[in-house]
Amino acid sequence: KAGVTQTPRYLIKTRGQQVTLSCSPISGHRSVSWYQQTPGQGLQFLFEYFSETQRNKGNFPGRFSGRQFSNSRSEMNVSTLELGDSALYLCASSRTGGGPNEQYFGPGTRLTVT
Amino acid sequence: AQTVTQSQPEMSVQEAETVTLSCTYDTSESDYYLFWYKQPPSRQMILVIRQEAYKQQNATENRFSVNFQKAAKSFSLKISDSQLGDAAMYFCAYRSGGGSQGNLIFGKGTKLSVKP
Repeated sequence: KAGVTQTPRYLIKTRGQQVTLSCSPISGHRSVSWYQQTPGQGLQFLFEYFSETQRNKGNFPGRFSGRQFSNSRSEMNVSTLELGDSALYLCASSRTGGGPNEQYFGPGTRLTVT
Repeated sequence: AQTVTQSQPEMSVQEAETVTLSCTYDTSESDYYLFWYKQPPSRQMILVIRQEAYKQQNATENRFSVNFQKAAKSFSLKISDSQLGDAAMYFCAYRSGGGSQGNLIFGKGTKLSVKP
């Protein structure tokens, strides 16, 4: 079974630009969560999608948005990039998301904002 | 709000020895789940072990076991017979049991080094 895939793996953008990251979950998984990982703040939850609906959202500004498609693939978008958005963005999928269900993480997208 | 604290930024262990990583959490909920995740230098995060709060028995997965002290809100990870491949960042994580929300709340992590 293929794991969680994220594209692109690396990205360099300039301040003020926008970026779209993609995540393909494991087949059969309907929940996709996004996390931002930085050395200073650690791992922080961005949002979770389940069956094309945003089910939960972390404490991030409105510049961060996402969506999920009918095939469970998810994208996240960051508009008006700031230097502080430089981070590793991790996507995780699970069958239903809640409870003891394991979240399977992708390799991440390393975003660098210059 | 729930919080997870890992007080050891770095730990080191000799190969074949045992090491314990600490984690404490704060919550007013009675229904929740706790996890330890491992993130090797390649960055792919994988689940090491999980514990349901309603279970008194400590979870065990091969060389990995936890010491879950619910009253003290402590959830430590013990790695026995440490191997070079255990070197990684280890994250303690919390998830609410109520509802269907799946987001994890992570600690800042402990970097484990294994000396040959």
